[in-house]
This record gives sequence, C-alpha cells and structure tokens, in this order.
Amino acid sequence: QQPVQSPQAVILREGEDAVINCSSSKALYSVHWYRQKHGEAPVFLMILLKGGEQKGHDKISASFNEKKQQSSLYLTASQLSYSGTYFCGTERKYGNKLVFGAGTILRVKS
Amino acid sequence: GAGVSQTPSNKVTEKGKYVELRCDPISGHTALYWYRQSLGQGPEFLIYFQGTGAADDSGLPNDRFFAVRPEGSVSTLKIQRTERGDSAVYLCASSFAAQGGTGELFFGEGSRLTVL
Repeated sequence: QQPVQSPQAVILREGEDAVINCSSSKALYSVHWYRQKHGEAPVFLMILLKGGEQKGHDKISASFNEKKQQSSLYLTASQLSYSGTYFCGTERKYGNKLVFGAGTILRVKS
Repeated sequence: GAGVSQTPSNKVTEKGKYVELRCDPISGHTALYWYRQSLGQGPEFLIYFQGTGAADDSGLPNDRFFAVRPEGSVSTLKIQRTERGDSAVYLCASSFAAQGGTGELFFGEGSRLTVL
C-alpha cells in the first residue's frame, strides 16, 4: 500500500529545477505532500484531491493524474531553504488512513 | 498551546519495560494520528482516531501496542514489553479534516524512544 517515490535523492544547485514522483498501485482519493527538515516534524505543503488537479504556491507546485495513480511535485528555481526530505502521502478513499512513501532527499547547494 | 505537543520528547527504557507516550493535539481538531518513523524512513501509520474512537488501527504492529483517546482530545500510545525493534521516533499529528478525508496534518515534534 505504501506509495513509491522517485528519485530516492537529488542534489541541485540554487536556481535549478527538480521533479519528485509518487506512484501507487491502487486507486487514490487524494495525494498529500510534506517536507521534513532534519530533526524536525514534517510540514504540510499541499493536498491534491481531484484527478488532473494541479496546485502550487510560490515556486512549488504539484500535479495529480488520477488515472495513472501518480503525482509529481515540481520545485522550480530551487532555494537553499528547499533542502529536506519530501514525502508523499496517499489516501485510497474518503476517511481512510494516510500512508506515506519512503521519501526523497533533496539537497540544494549554493 | 498553539501546536501539537508530545511528551516525553526523549525516552530511554530497558527491554521488557512498559512505556506511555502522550499527545496533546491542537484544540478543536477531531482527527488524531500516530505514526512511527525510523531513521531514513517515511512515517509509518499506526492508528488514527476520529473523536474518541479508533477509526483505523490496522497499523499497530502487534498486541503490545495500544492507544486511547478517552475524551476526544489527548491521546496516549502505550507499549508493553518493549523490544529493541520498537526504537523509533513516534509522531503524533492532528487534523481538523473539515473537508472530509484527511486534511492538513499538523505534526508534533515527536517522542524519540530508545529501547536498550
């Protein structure tokens, strides 16, 4: 049931772009994205509820392809503050539990 | 308080001992989640509550683990006969879930459990 994230890790220079993918073998109701910095609690980024939905704030956005049961997180013009581990969480149906992937480590270098 | 509060922040215990971890969610949040996170892994679902009842406890590893939320606010995760494999950071999160399903989760800082 755990969603699969790729890549496992990525290193960027400031200003570069990155894409993190999340896929599930089961039909999904929603996809959630969180970022966790070392030694801290995960922090919410966004929820995508509908197939084909795209959301974003600032330079971080995401898409959700309901038919393919996939979501992608897009980080554009990355900043040092984007460094951390990104987790997608998937919910298979309304009111169901949120299951997280293993995470993608993102490191942005100056 | 303004956020989710978890106590203790660190707990070191010996194999076989009993442990209680407490979570005080954000006031008004009806949903409360417990996750376990090992080093380098994503949060592993344990149990979640809607109000006082456990809506889904399918993630509890075995009958040594038990959680309660008697008044629909504070929750306690109880681990009996601890084993070294129980060592992890236990995360609690709460949600208002106004839109249905799982809304934005607000996580506490976690309780780091070390079983010697």
